[in-house]
Amino acid sequence: GESVGLHLPTLSVQEGDNSIINCAYSNSASDYFIWYKQESGKGPQFIIDIRSNMDKRQGQRVTVLLNKTVKHLSLQIAATQPGDSAVYFCAEAYLYNFNKFYFGSGTKLNVKP
Amino acid sequence: DTEVTQTPKHLVMGMTNKKSLKCEQHMGHRAMYWYKQKAKKPPELMFVYSYEKLSINESVPSRFSPECPNSSLLNLHLHALQPEDSALYLCASSQDSTGDYGYTFGSGTRLTVV
Repeated sequence: GESVGLHLPTLSVQEGDNSIINCAYSNSASDYFIWYKQESGKGPQFIIDIRSNMDKRQGQRVTVLLNKTVKHLSLQIAATQPGDSAVYFCAEAYLYNFNKFYFGSGTKLNVKP
Repeated sequence: DTEVTQTPKHLVMGMTNKKSLKCEQHMGHRAMYWYKQKAKKPPELMFVYSYEKLSINESVPSRFSPECPNSSLLNLHLHALQPEDSALYLCASSQDSTGDYGYTFGSGTRLTVV
């Protein structure tokens, strides 16, 4: 994904609401995708992944949706909590070259109590 | 142990200094990675080691020199850096070179070059 310079897109939600974070990926050949959460001063933390043979995968309070037609990935967080406040990155990789991940530009999620 | 440990957490170095960043994992992962992350930007891949051999170098300047002494350790040797090299340096590991199940990242070393 392209960098957005010094300003991260920000999504502000009220505690308890659902959040949807979007990501447009660049390589139509990519077939493995991961969402990461990065809190201030920490490294990225794995949230959920999905392979290209799926269009939806659910975890605990999180759901990832994949639309290969438009190269779009989304992360849905149910009942958003203040602890969910962080920067969220999507990452894409190509089958047989999984160790070369490319990260999207990131979205900052701000949860208001 | 499910962590990737990076030391030091913070490092300030002059442009003529030589320093090293260290990364350690005891999860039996056979692929290890160095990423560079500037403020408000996504992590950018620098190097990949697979089974202790360098498999990817993303055209990183030679002032950055990686080393993988064994399957648990990854170093990044720094020499003659520039102020623009100031960034968060992240180490990650994965089960094998397929990277399946994603990476486990360390908390990073915050490097400032003065």
